Amino acid sequence: GAVVSQHPSWVICKSGTSVKIECRSLDFQATTMFWYRQFPKQSLMLMATSNEGSKATYEQGVEKDKFLINHASLTLSTLTVTSAHPEDSSFYICSARTGLLGPYNEQFFGPGTRLTVL
Amino acid sequence: AQSVAQPEDQVNVAEGNPLTVKCTYSVSGNPYLFWYVQYPNRGLQFLLKYITGDNLVKGSYGFEAEFNKSQTSFHLKKPSALVSDSALYFCAVRDRRDTDKLIFGTGTRLQVFP
Repeated sequence: GAVVSQHPSWVICKSGTSVKIECRSLDFQATTMFWYRQFPKQSLMLMATSNEGSKATYEQGVEKDKFLINHASLTLSTLTVTSAHPEDSSFYICSARTGLLGPYNEQFFGPGTRLTVL
Repeated sequence: AQSVAQPEDQVNVAEGNPLTVKCTYSVSGNPYLFWYVQYPNRGLQFLLKYITGDNLVKGSYGFEAEFNKSQTSFHLKKPSALVSDSALYFCAVRDRRDTDKLIFGTGTRLQVFP
């Protein structure tokens, strides 16, 4: 089956530093990748959608300058949290889709990255 | 506004008993509906989806869900619960008119007791 990995699985950083999270599709080419944020005991909120080779589309209320997304290849997307603050602490999950948009092309989710900002 | 509701924060069931995790949605048109499961500190695993056709959808690990258009519901069911089914379950809907955006419910924690 389609496998999506994330690295690191957890990270602790100091306030004001930047953190990069990688999302990789291991056995398929991901034309589109998605980044979600999940607060404790809450649902997943879509942050942005990225298509390979183009700029990401951010959801309303998500700061694009704070959450930098790069989708430079068909197997890798990165999320960089710039100048992180404690309120950015969360569980970040990526997902990836292959092929064209359609009812049968589903998203495959990564295992998530827990970010803690001190 | 599009939304997904999971009215129960937690469902408790004894092992071997049937389980139901409820989901209702509010989306215009005919949506695509999904159930995902999340284990602690893990990403989401796909269980099943409804696109069209038979209202009863069978998925992974013995789970099934019934699409009810008149009640706008998509309840997750399993005839006989296992302790290993204990996890967080999310219902999600994808608006056909949108791109891939998934709208998730708030999740229901299923606890299966031995």
